[in-house]
Amino acid sequence: GAVVSQHPSRVICKSGTSVKIECRSLDFQATTMFWYRQFPKKSLMLMATSNEGSKATYEQGVEKDKFLINHASLTLSTLTVTSAHPEDSSFYICSARERTDYGYTFGSGTRLTVV
Amino acid sequence: AQSVTQPDIHITVSEGASLELRCNYSYGATPYLFWYVQSPGQGLQLLLKYFSGDTLVQGIKGFEAEFKRSQSSFNLRKPSVHWSDAAEYFCAVGDYNFNKFYFGSGTKLNVKP
Repeated sequence: GAVVSQHPSRVICKSGTSVKIECRSLDFQATTMFWYRQFPKKSLMLMATSNEGSKATYEQGVEKDKFLINHASLTLSTLTVTSAHPEDSSFYICSARERTDYGYTFGSGTRLTVV
Repeated sequence: AQSVTQPDIHITVSEGASLELRCNYSYGATPYLFWYVQSPGQGLQLLLKYFSGDTLVQGIKGFEAEFKRSQSSFNLRKPSVHWSDAAEYFCAVGDYNFNKFYFGSGTKLNVKP
């Protein structure tokens, strides 16, 4: 079945630094990828939708300059948290939509801790 | 606006008992509906999905869900719960073009021995 690999699974960074999270579709081409943020004991909040070769569409309230999304190929999307602060600490999950299927496959998530 | 409501934040059932997790959605057109399960610290695994056709959908791990348009519901069921089913369950709705995909707030399932 479709597999989405998300890396790293955990990252700890210092406040003010930037962190890049990768989301790869391993065995299919993903025209669309999604980035979510999950707060403790909360649901997943859609942050942005990225389409290969075009700019990401950000949800209301999500700072596009802080959360940079790049979807440079049909198998890779990256989320960069710039100038990270402790309040950016969260669980980030990506998902990819397979081109020929309406299903979504999720990555295993990235636990970001900003100290 | 689209929304998904899971009215039960927390449910505890005994092992072997039946389970029903509720999901209601608000969407202006034909919804595409999903149920996902998340184990602690993990990503999400698709249990089942509904796009069209038979309103009773079978999924993995013995789960099923029924789409009821008149009630705007897509409840998840399992006839006999196993201890390994303890996890958090999310209902989600996607629009026709899959430009948007929204989750409910989740229901945490505990299973008593």
